[in-house]
Amino acid sequence: EAQVTQNPRYLITVTGKKLTVTCSQNMNHEYMSWYRQDPGLGLRQIYYSMNVEVTDKGDVPEGYKVSRKEKRNFPLILESPSPNQTSLYFCASSLFWQEGTQYFGPGTRLLVL
Amino acid sequence: AQKITQTQPGMFVQEKEAVTLDCTYDTSDQSYGLFWYKQPSSGEMIFLIYQGSYDEQNATEGRYSLNFQKARKSANLVISASQLGDSAMYFCAMREVNTGNQFYFGTGTSLTVIP
Repeated sequence: EAQVTQNPRYLITVTGKKLTVTCSQNMNHEYMSWYRQDPGLGLRQIYYSMNVEVTDKGDVPEGYKVSRKEKRNFPLILESPSPNQTSLYFCASSLFWQEGTQYFGPGTRLLVL
Repeated sequence: AQKITQTQPGMFVQEKEAVTLDCTYDTSDQSYGLFWYKQPSSGEMIFLIYQGSYDEQNATEGRYSLNFQKARKSANLVISASQLGDSAMYFCAMREVNTGNQFYFGTGTSLTVIP
């Protein structure tokens, strides 16, 4: 089954404790992306990647890191989480930039205390 | 300036009626894509419909159609014959092709279908 998977689905952590949210897709997509969703703000792009070893900042990259060492994986790293990073996070992927249609993972709910 | 504007925070529609959800966009890129996604209360993001900037005909997918007015920079979603299962948040989004391939989302419209 074609899908984007994220882990964990739910996470409660404390300020300053490094964490990684994994994202993996099995559709051989070039384009992968991370978003955060906050009430009243819609989805905002954090980072995106056009292909392996190519990453770019989105609208809200501060406090986040990403890497794209393999085509299928695009982990999101919070080196020192803060309460304002409490949010719902989505990973997404698409085949070619021309197609554009993104497929989303199920989301990760993060609470930073 | 906002790249995507959805001016209707909430909408109600009677079951079996049609409803239009508004979306306007702002870009100077000649090549871009416009998308609509549905987010039910369960939280997942579901792709509904896509319109490319060079497409001359409005996109349609089943009961969904995208009313694309390029000169007005609007990309409204029309849902025909509303069903109870259409109750959800709806997000309009844009991808600029020549200026970085970044995605921009609107703040969403909450649609409630009334029996």
